Amino acid sequence: GAVVSQHPSWVICKSGTSVKIECRSLDFQATTMFWYRQFPKQSLMLMATSNEGSKATYEQGVEKDKFLINHASLTLSTLTVTSAHPEDSSFYICSAPRGMSYEQYFGPGTRLTVT
Amino acid sequence: GEDVEQSLFLSVREGDSSVINCTYTDSSSTYLYWYKQEPGAGLQLLTYIFSNMDMKQDQRLTVLLNKKDKHLSLRIADTQTGDSAIYFCAERDPNDYKLSFGAGTTVTVRA
Repeated sequence: GAVVSQHPSWVICKSGTSVKIECRSLDFQATTMFWYRQFPKQSLMLMATSNEGSKATYEQGVEKDKFLINHASLTLSTLTVTSAHPEDSSFYICSAPRGMSYEQYFGPGTRLTVT
Repeated sequence: GEDVEQSLFLSVREGDSSVINCTYTDSSSTYLYWYKQEPGAGLQLLTYIFSNMDMKQDQRLTVLLNKKDKHLSLRIADTQTGDSAIYFCAERDPNDYKLSFGAGTTVTVRA
């Protein structure tokens, strides 16, 4: 079946640094990908929609200058957390729908810890 | 936007059936999903149902949809210890691919 990968699986960084997380669709092309954030024991919160060839669309309350999204190709979207703070520590998950299919595939997630 | 609600916890004995409930708000035609999340992992799509269907069965999983009450349930037959996880109900925005998730139901299977 379709697979979505994320890299890295986990990352620890210091406050003030930037961290890039990659999301790849491995066996299908994805013109749209989604980035979610999940706090411990909570549901997924949609942060933004990543669109290949155009700007990302951010959900209300999400700072676009802090969470930079680049949909570099039909199989790759990146999320860069800029000037990270401890409150940015979270589990970040991406997803990608395959074509017009009902199926939406999720990556395994990236655990970010900011110290 | 969509509002999806779930019960938060379910404890079930191994071998029994589990039933996880969910309510949603959007009355437009859409897809409804059940995802499973194990600790530290991403989401695994278990099953889905289109909003014009009443029921769908896939091996040990049965999804029931009550459109009038906007109520969705997932039944897991013969629950096993490996079924212990968080189960999320999700509704797809009919106009795009966005998913709205419930809070998740933590299922604990006891011996």
